Amino acid sequence: GQNIDQPTEMTATEGAIVQINCTYQTSGFNGLFWYQQHAGEAPTFLSYNVLDGLEEKGRFSSFLSRSKGYSYLLLKELQMKDSASYLCAVLGGDKLIFGTGTRLQVFP
Amino acid sequence: DTEVTQTPKHLVMGMTNKKSLKCEQHMGHRAMYWYKQKAKKPPELMFVYSYEKLSINESVPSRFSPECPNSSLLNLHLHALQPEDSALYLCASMTPGATGELFFGEGSRLTVL
Repeated sequence: GQNIDQPTEMTATEGAIVQINCTYQTSGFNGLFWYQQHAGEAPTFLSYNVLDGLEEKGRFSSFLSRSKGYSYLLLKELQMKDSASYLCAVLGGDKLIFGTGTRLQVFP
Repeated sequence: DTEVTQTPKHLVMGMTNKKSLKCEQHMGHRAMYWYKQKAKKPPELMFVYSYEKLSINESVPSRFSPECPNSSLLNLHLHALQPEDSALYLCASMTPGATGELFFGEGSRLTVL
């Protein structure tokens, strides 16, 4: 079976750093994606990891450990506009399966 | 052109209607996806087409019928839907086996009365 788990909700303060974790058990692995989704909008791509380690892109970084079935998304210098849902998704073959999603609220 | 275009953006239909959702991309992507998303839930995979052939059907009821007329177009035909089928339907595309982004369209919001 496929299991991709994330915390349901997180809160943080503007300017802070937040880490959103994702654990997965899937029948195949060709990479792990992170997406941001604002309410009523389509998901937008944030990052892609296929090898172990950290990928940094501006205020966003994503880490992958394939042996542990674990990834995290790190958001630095939080802004109010970062309040959104963050979706972890695993690609196995042609199948991209989304995790449960984490709703992040940023407070002033 | 890095867009996936979905039409219509909003659709309201009765349970006896037949309608279609359309998706188009001109990025040369050969894998196209339909997802269904209910409020406050993650997208759920419905179908995957790879090189215009249906490669994955996630046990979707037959009242949803996908079609891929060519490498740029993906349709989802809807017939005899139920109110619980009301959701946001998302189309996405990527190059099979690629190590990059899955591009999403803006979605079609479907309401079944």
